[in-house]
Amino acid sequence: GAGVSQSPRYKVTKRGQDVALRCDPISGHVSLYWYRQALGQGPEFLTYFNYEAQQDKSGLPNDRFSAERPEGSISTLTIQRTEQRDSAMYRCASSRDRGGTDTQYFGPGTRLTVL
Amino acid sequence: GENVEQHPSTLSVQEGDSAVIKCTYSDSASNYFPWYKQELGKRPQLIIDIRSNVGEKKDQRIAVTLNKTAKHFSLHITETQPEDSAVYFCAAGNQAGTALIFGKGTTLSVSS
Repeated sequence: GAGVSQSPRYKVTKRGQDVALRCDPISGHVSLYWYRQALGQGPEFLTYFNYEAQQDKSGLPNDRFSAERPEGSISTLTIQRTEQRDSAMYRCASSRDRGGTDTQYFGPGTRLTVL
Repeated sequence: GENVEQHPSTLSVQEGDSAVIKCTYSDSASNYFPWYKQELGKRPQLIIDIRSNVGEKKDQRIAVTLNKTAKHFSLHITETQPEDSAVYFCAAGNQAGTALIFGKGTTLSVSS
């Protein structure tokens, strides 16, 4: 079946603009995770959902970052008033079951560049 | 919170040699330890995982060992091949459902 997909794959924006990054998890997967991955580093947790409920947002860097998953499927990560330091690869992952011990499948990522 | 340390950051081996990557974790509640392989420009992909009820798991040339007492786990790749060259990440998770905490990665280079 189809894997996790993300759009756009690349996003270039100017400082101060808002961006919305979309994640389409594997159909039927309960949990959805957002990570940020700097070049040469491991994925860094941002936030995650079980169904439509945001379970943990402790990894969001500040209040310019927010995420939603209103119908328990597609999720959007929004960054308001972008800054250059927000430039990174943003990846989402999904797992079939909730709980932190189920296999997470990663999407291809959105490469965000803030000029 | 959980902290995962991974060593070495780079590893170069000759084709056919073995490669070992080690990780330590801090949270005794962690009970799930996956390993991901990430090739250049690609997404991380799970290659093997281990849960805390076993001490070792093997899948062909890849094995993972876990020492819960010492809070460390290791990835072992035998008979390495050039296509094993990639960045490998360890991670730790737990049943409470918090997200995976990743190590900083090991760049493995296998030369023929």
